[in-house]
Amino acid sequence: DSGVTQTPKHLITATGQRVTLRCSPRSGDLSVYWYQQSLDQGLQFLIHYYNGEERAKGNILERFSAQQFPDLHSELNLSSLELGDSALYFCASSGGTSGQSTDTQYFGPGTRLTVL
Amino acid sequence: GEDVEQSLFLSVREGDSSVINCTYTDSSSTYLYWYKQEPGAGLQLLTYIFSNMDMKQDQRLTVLLNKKDKHLSLRIADTQTGDSAIYFCAEGRPGRLAFGKGNQVVVIP
Repeated sequence: DSGVTQTPKHLITATGQRVTLRCSPRSGDLSVYWYQQSLDQGLQFLIHYYNGEERAKGNILERFSAQQFPDLHSELNLSSLELGDSALYFCASSGGTSGQSTDTQYFGPGTRLTVL
Repeated sequence: GEDVEQSLFLSVREGDSSVINCTYTDSSSTYLYWYKQEPGAGLQLLTYIFSNMDMKQDQRLTVLLNKKDKHLSLRIADTQTGDSAIYFCAEGRPGRLAFGKGNQVVVIP
């Protein structure tokens, strides 16, 4: 158990809908990262938040957004869902004070999103 | 993955050693990581190596780093059925990890 929690575990929805995925980092970790894992694209970095501020953006679509709240939990919002958005979405956290590449990331169990 | 190359599949007999290879691209990466993903599970951090090291041993795991060739390998000694999983190497980039596509290891009893 990494100490990172994600809810829900599974999510099934229809095209065009909007969903929110939630992540709670390890106690004391300031950084939260979101990744998408799909069969064709592999593991892709989406976005990184450090202490409530966006720090880095990867291959995140404009239909997707995220935020980190004062209690450090984070939410990933996916809107206007398409079939191709079906994937595993992972959250990771790290405890570094700078949010840099030297900070080891610990991953949650993931949310499996299925868009029908 | 993002320019981190891994071979896709490895089959190994229980008790043998298994070696998984990875080629990365960013020579400025400070840390390189190995993660394990079991079926239906998240990513478990196995080990990591600092870029100024050539080798790191952690129980049954040995990581070798060849910085000149940007080549990383993970050796699992005395492979067990519980080692069956997908193994991802990742390089640490500013604020994120760049992953390879993973290498599926199947351990045959």
